[in-house]
Amino acid sequence: AQKVTQAQTEISVVEKEDVTLDCVYETRDTTYYLFWYKQPPSGELVFLIRRNSFDEQNEISGRYSWNFQKSTSSFNFTITASQVVDSAVYFCALSEAKIYSYDKVIFGPGTSLSVIP
Amino acid sequence: NAGVMQNPRHLVRRRGQEARLRCSPMKGHSHVYWYRQLPEEGLKFMVYLQKENIIDESGMPKERFSAEFPKEGPSILRIQQVVRGDSAAYFCASSPQTSSGNNEQFFGPGTRLTVL
Repeated sequence: AQKVTQAQTEISVVEKEDVTLDCVYETRDTTYYLFWYKQPPSGELVFLIRRNSFDEQNEISGRYSWNFQKSTSSFNFTITASQVVDSAVYFCALSEAKIYSYDKVIFGPGTSLSVIP
Repeated sequence: NAGVMQNPRHLVRRRGQEARLRCSPMKGHSHVYWYRQLPEEGLKFMVYLQKENIIDESGMPKERFSAEFPKEGPSILRIQQVVRGDSAAYFCASSPQTSSGNNEQFFGPGTRLTVL
């Protein structure tokens, strides 16, 4: 069975601090996708990143970076020099990759990040 | 190319009324997924549809909920005789039909249902 765990329910940091959001996943499949989404107070889902299971390279995009470790089934997300606009709920998610089929996305419970000015 | 569209964005219903949520997938997308986000929770899969077919409804409550995706027009999620526990954000996602296994889902802005 697939499962995504985000152990941190809520995190508060002071502006300009770095913060890492943890994500641990479970799947029996060898091919899968991992995602991070941001949900700001306005409520929409903002896509941040998708990573397939064969690509373990870490990725950096501006102040955001992601650390994918297959050995520990983790896909952690770090925000460097956090800003107030980063305050949101962040969801880690998992989807299998099946050819000629479909994949429901399994979401973690989310981590609520508050960045205090 | 417009993204996934959902309407209404906010819907208020009284207990016992019906709620109809609409989702227009991205152009060229023939797969639609509905997810529900209860307050303070993550999104949970409800149902997956292709044109005129329900493929997987394993996440749908057994009663009062139904979904369709007709040949023409948007996908509809219908909730009959709403109760307060149905208050949630309902997200629709769509994906293209590809042969690569790369069925990335694109999410709409969600419909926030409030049951009074």
